[in-house]
Amino acid sequence: DIQMTQSPSSLSAFVGDRITITCRASQTINTNLNWYQHKPGQAPKLLIYAASRLQSGVPSRFSGSASGTDFTLTISSLQPEDFAVYFCQQSYTTPYTFGQGTKLEIK
Amino acid sequence: QVQLVQSGAEVKKPGASVKVSCKASGYTFTTYDINWVRQATGQGLEWLGSINPSTGNTADAQKFQGRVTMTRDTSIDTAHLEVSSLRSDDTAVYYCARGGKYQLYMDVWGKGTTVIVSS
Repeated sequence: DIQMTQSPSSLSAFVGDRITITCRASQTINTNLNWYQHKPGQAPKLLIYAASRLQSGVPSRFSGSASGTDFTLTISSLQPEDFAVYFCQQSYTTPYTFGQGTKLEIK
Repeated sequence: QVQLVQSGAEVKKPGASVKVSCKASGYTFTTYDINWVRQATGQGLEWLGSINPSTGNTADAQKFQGRVTMTRDTSIDTAHLEVSSLRSDDTAVYYCARGGKYQLYMDVWGKGTTVIVSS
């Protein structure tokens, strides 16, 4: 199975900060990497698909990039509603696997 | 709007089975795969498998083969996940999620069904 190593596991930041979250795949997955946001009691929400494509309706402060097997989610200017758990997922091959998640908290 | 509505929480004893349902609305049910994903408390997300509602074909994670059954009822636009021989470590929130174009992402998720396995 492809292992997805996500870092950091938690992150504290201020509203307005720029933050990055990273996922590393254990083997090549091309750009088959997706990012999701999850808030307690809610359904997870797709933010970025195919490493860098913004899902319809997602604010442009969210962006994704790829370099080999390293993938990054960037939030350019944190808003209060952005504090949540973020996780990555590879869709290159089954079993689809996920990163362990990053809990983004308000500082 | 497009949504997936899941069935309510379940409490089961070890060795029993549980069946979780996921009703789709707002789109043509047979167009997109339905994935099943679970998350135990304090753990990451784990993909159990997926079903093509049009054909009924399934793909499941080898870890769960033999214990997980995915079915669908196209007359009511509903997918089902059954997990048998439940153990305490099956205690988790179970999500269904629509597979997007070519199953390259999961673009719509249900809110999850809590399954507790306890004697």
